[in-house]
Amino acid sequence: SQTIHQWPATLVQPVGSPLSLECTVEGTSNPNLYWYRQAAGRGLQLLFYSVGIGQISSEVPQNLSASRPQDRQFILSSKKLLLSDSGFYLCAGGGSYGYTFGSGTRLTVV
Amino acid sequence: DAKTTQPPSMDCAEGRAANLPCNHSTISGNEYVYWYRQIHSQGPQYIIHGLKNNETNEMASLIITEDRKSSTLILPHATLRDTAVYYCIVRVHANNYGQNFVFGPGTRLSVLP
Repeated sequence: SQTIHQWPATLVQPVGSPLSLECTVEGTSNPNLYWYRQAAGRGLQLLFYSVGIGQISSEVPQNLSASRPQDRQFILSSKKLLLSDSGFYLCAGGGSYGYTFGSGTRLTVV
Repeated sequence: DAKTTQPPSMDCAEGRAANLPCNHSTISGNEYVYWYRQIHSQGPQYIIHGLKNNETNEMASLIITEDRKSSTLILPHATLRDTAVYYCIVRVHANNYGQNFVFGPGTRLSVLP
């Protein structure tokens, strides 16, 4: 079965600092991978998805970017964080029964 | 993907059955009904999915009406650990090359002691 690993679990970063969140996948090859963001008390917003190495689709314009340097690695980045980038970031992998989600990273930009 | 409508919140007594409704009146013939839940500060967790027949697994039962325009997720004996936001999603069958899932606001289920 597919397992999604995300780290760190929590992160506090100052405005203007860079960001790199990593997501790795176990148990499957060539998965579709997704980055979601969830603001406090809100639903999940799809940010990026990838169907393969080097292939990234962006769902919403924003201050973030994503990369997929390896089949089982998906990275979410920012060069300069904004206060509005605060939220709960979730990585997910596609599978036959839907998505498997990681445990998430709670990012607070101060 | 078809839109779904769920009540924003529900309460259920511990040990009783929790019945969570979902309306999906514009569902297409090739769209499945999926249920996920999200416990506070965790990633969403897959619960169950179905096309037109009722489904049951170790977590829950899914009852889909004959016209497929609505469904009900049943947690037969709710526990405090079932307190979570429950998402009903309709879309074509999930596979490794499928479209993304669209998560709406869901239903916040509170299981009360």
